[in-house]
Amino acid sequence: AQSVTQLGSHVSVSEGALVLLRCNYSSSVPPYLFWYVQYPNQGLQLLLKYTTGATLVKGINGFEAEFKKSETSFHLTKPSAHMSDAAEYFCAVSRGGADGLTFGKGTHLIIQP
Amino acid sequence: ETGVTQTPRHLVMGMTNKKSLKCEQHLGHNAMYWYKQSAKKPLELMFVYNFKEQTENNSVPSRFSPECPNSSHLFLHLHTLQPEDSALYLCASSQEAGGLVGETQYFGPGTRLLVL
Repeated sequence: AQSVTQLGSHVSVSEGALVLLRCNYSSSVPPYLFWYVQYPNQGLQLLLKYTTGATLVKGINGFEAEFKKSETSFHLTKPSAHMSDAAEYFCAVSRGGADGLTFGKGTHLIIQP
Repeated sequence: ETGVTQTPRHLVMGMTNKKSLKCEQHLGHNAMYWYKQSAKKPLELMFVYNFKEQTENNSVPSRFSPECPNSSHLFLHLHTLQPEDSALYLCASSQEAGGLVGETQYFGPGTRLLVL
C-alpha cells in the first residue's frame, strides 16, 4: 500500500521568501513521485515529477523538488515566492502500474504581500 | 479544444435523479481516470480505464457507474446519490496505465456536484 503525508494544510510565506512544502511517502516499491498545483476552479496541473535518474527535479514556474530515499521525502521548494504561486499543492505517488495516483491531502500556499 | 474537457462544470441533483458526467480527452491517450475530490479529504481514485477496459474499481458504490465507449471519452453515470457524494469529480488521462515509468496524468477542470 502507498500513502502520502503533506505536513501543514496551510503554509504562509511573504512574497520573495523561500517556499518549502513538505511531502513524505510510504511505498512498498520504488515510487514515482509527483507534485501538482490546483488554482481555484481549475483542475490539477503537473509541476514536476520524479521517475528515475537525477534526484533533484526541476519543474515549471521555478519550482523544484528533491527525492531523498533515505528520508522517504519529496519536498517542493521555490527560492522566491510570487503572488501568482498562491494555490493548492498536492504531492502524489504512483507505482507506475494501473493504480492511478495516491494523493496527499494538499497544502494551501498563501503569499503575503 | 485541447487537453481534457469535462461537462457539465456544475451540477445540482436530487437524490432520486439520474445524471451523467462526461469527460473527453484530445491528447491521444489510452488511459482515463475518475477521481473524487471532497473537502478536507485527499483526492480519491475511483476508476481506471486502460484501452477502454476497466482495470480498477476502487471500492466505489454501485450508484456510480462508469462507461468508456472509446479511448477519448469517459462517462460517470450517477443514480440515487447521497448528499455525502457532493464533491468535485475530476477526470484525467495518461498515455497508458500499466507502463514501466510514472505516467503523467492530465486533469480536466472537474464537475462540481451538489446532491440535495
